[in-house]
Amino acid sequence: DADVTQTPRNRITKTGKRIMLECSQTKGHDRMYWYRQDPGLGLRLIYYSFDVKDINKGEISDGYSVSRQAQAKFSLSLESAIPNQTALYFCATINQGFTEAFFGQGTRLTVV
Amino acid sequence: KNQVEQSPQSLIILEGKNCTLQCNYTVSPFSNLRWYKQDTGRGPVSLTIMTFSENTKSNGRYTATLDADTKQSSLHITASQLSDSASYICVVSAGSNYQLIWGAGTKLIIKP
Repeated sequence: DADVTQTPRNRITKTGKRIMLECSQTKGHDRMYWYRQDPGLGLRLIYYSFDVKDINKGEISDGYSVSRQAQAKFSLSLESAIPNQTALYFCATINQGFTEAFFGQGTRLTVV
Repeated sequence: KNQVEQSPQSLIILEGKNCTLQCNYTVSPFSNLRWYKQDTGRGPVSLTIMTFSENTKSNGRYTATLDADTKQSSLHITASQLSDSASYICVVSAGSNYQLIWGAGTKLIIKP
């Protein structure tokens, strides 16, 4: 099994629809992150969680919400998708000292 | 403001040649620095991680250097291969919460 699994891998959705991206990890790390990547830009942090009861906004959290259902699961929701949310989304799990960091394979989301 | 800048934005070299990618950062307080390789449409994969006290670290044909005084890091790739074509991203971890500051990456293309 992959260390970090994202589903779906690809998704096309219509403007205004609600969509959820799921992430699960097998590393046992407390810290999980959701990032967005646009062409020519670095990864930008959407939300992060240091444990099940700790959720924090990143630099671009508007239009997104998250849920940390368990230590191993961290889902990202777009309540009402819009075209400029078209991007590649990555989930990551990182240990406390940042000595281990693992990324999922990404979810390519297209909002039409 | 914490920032990570990478240069060049893109680089094309012939197979078998060496190259060096640069990363300059203004991050405080510095915790550690990591270089990632990201293939198109895939999640980043860690190449090296360096703490404040480390000057050089190698991983096969990849050698990273860190000068904490000038706040610069470089990634040297020796005897490039076609499979080295990817984006290389510098990430600096800041503070006790290990906030991650991402560079925009250098897109490296290896031509036969």
